[in-house]
Amino acid sequence: EDKVVQSPLSLVVHEGDTVTLNCSYEVTNFRSLLWYKQEKKAPTFLFMLTSSGIEKKSGRLSSILDKKELFSILNITATQTGDSAVYLCANSGNTPLVFGKGTRLSVIA
Amino acid sequence: DTGVSQDPRHKITKRGQNVTFRCDPISEHNRLYWYRQTLGQGPEFLTYFQNEAQLEKSRLLSDRFSAERPKGSFSTLEIQRTEQGDSAMYLCASSLWGTGSEQYFGPGTRLTVT
Repeated sequence: EDKVVQSPLSLVVHEGDTVTLNCSYEVTNFRSLLWYKQEKKAPTFLFMLTSSGIEKKSGRLSSILDKKELFSILNITATQTGDSAVYLCANSGNTPLVFGKGTRLSVIA
Repeated sequence: DTGVSQDPRHKITKRGQNVTFRCDPISEHNRLYWYRQTLGQGPEFLTYFQNEAQLEKSRLLSDRFSAERPKGSFSTLEIQRTEQGDSAMYLCASSLWGTGSEQYFGPGTRLTVT
């Protein structure tokens, strides 16, 4: 059964800190790995990763995939209070999107 | 607004009643997905359509649940004889092609069964 495990489950940091969120996965037939940000509503798309070692970047957020070790990381530099959210990792294999439980990030001023 | 829309946003119902939710995907997207999310969990896949064809249903989708996408555009999700365990956020997402492409989510319908 396809599985996604995220760590840590929750994290509290101060504004300006850099954070790394982890996602490991087991999948029968890998297609892509996706990151979403969820505030008090539906998940919003951040990144889709399909190839190992190629970093995707958007402003202060970046992500990379390691298909050999079956994990991905999401980095956020110079965190701001607006980054407070649940960050979800999802894997697309044989079944549409298997999600992890998410990492709840709280950024305090 | 060209995003995914869902209606209603909130629904409170009594146990045993039937409820129906609607999802309108991004217009050019041919795939439409339903997920359920409970507190502290990531979304769990329920079912998905490619155009009007329902391609897959999760084991989570009991026979009280039915989904349709009759003309390949909007979709409805019906829950019959609701139970308190059905209380959750029901999320709809759409994508342009293939299961590997990014899915865009609607705002969700929060169901509370009393």
